[in-house]
Amino acid sequence: SAVISQKPSRDICQRGTSLTIQCQVDSQVTMMFWYRQQPGQSLTLIATANQGSEATYESGFVIDKFPISRPNLTFSTLTVSNMSPEDSSIYLCSVGTGGADTQYFGPGTRLTVL
Amino acid sequence: KQEVTQIPAALSVPEGENLVLNCSFTDSAIYNLQWFRQDPGKGLTSLLLIQSSQREQTSGRLNASLDKSSGRSTLYIAASQPGDSATYLCAVRPAAAGNKLTFGGGTRVLVKP
Repeated sequence: SAVISQKPSRDICQRGTSLTIQCQVDSQVTMMFWYRQQPGQSLTLIATANQGSEATYESGFVIDKFPISRPNLTFSTLTVSNMSPEDSSIYLCSVGTGGADTQYFGPGTRLTVL
Repeated sequence: KQEVTQIPAALSVPEGENLVLNCSFTDSAIYNLQWFRQDPGKGLTSLLLIQSSQREQTSGRLNASLDKSSGRSTLYIAASQPGDSATYLCAVRPAAAGNKLTFGGGTRVLVKP
């Protein structure tokens, strides 16, 4: 299994600012993903973080709002830009090793935008 | 487009009863199905993974079945305990490339002592 850590675990931010969330994995992984879980809702995939190239975004999510970096096979960042209260959510990093393997999730970052 | 539904949305049982959680999906072309547990405000813990070729998986008090042709999976938790109180999510991975998961809305479980 993969051990995933996220920083920060939670934050309270002001409208119009940006927050960068870090995801660190204890081993090299093929696939890294970022999900959003809005209050009382299930998880929605934001994007696939591609090592060494631009992330692949899902419908409804754009790079200007959610820029993602993945400089290597164990680390990725998600930035939530120009935040509004609607961005208040839990943001989760997830990893998979390809094939039919189990997908693992980090502990999440709870973001509150005032 | 794959849609995943979990019924019921919430469930409350006395300690010791067996739990039955249902998950249905609209597209049977899946690679696998995974059950997760989520405690309030926390991340997800993987419980069981069922490959598309399998009918069930067991781990301790947990048993998950899969009927791919009818688009259904059921998670059974035997002899429930208060510590089982959490939200349970099912997620399917499509047969197409990638590990992208589509999640159900979850079932919120409360086991009363």
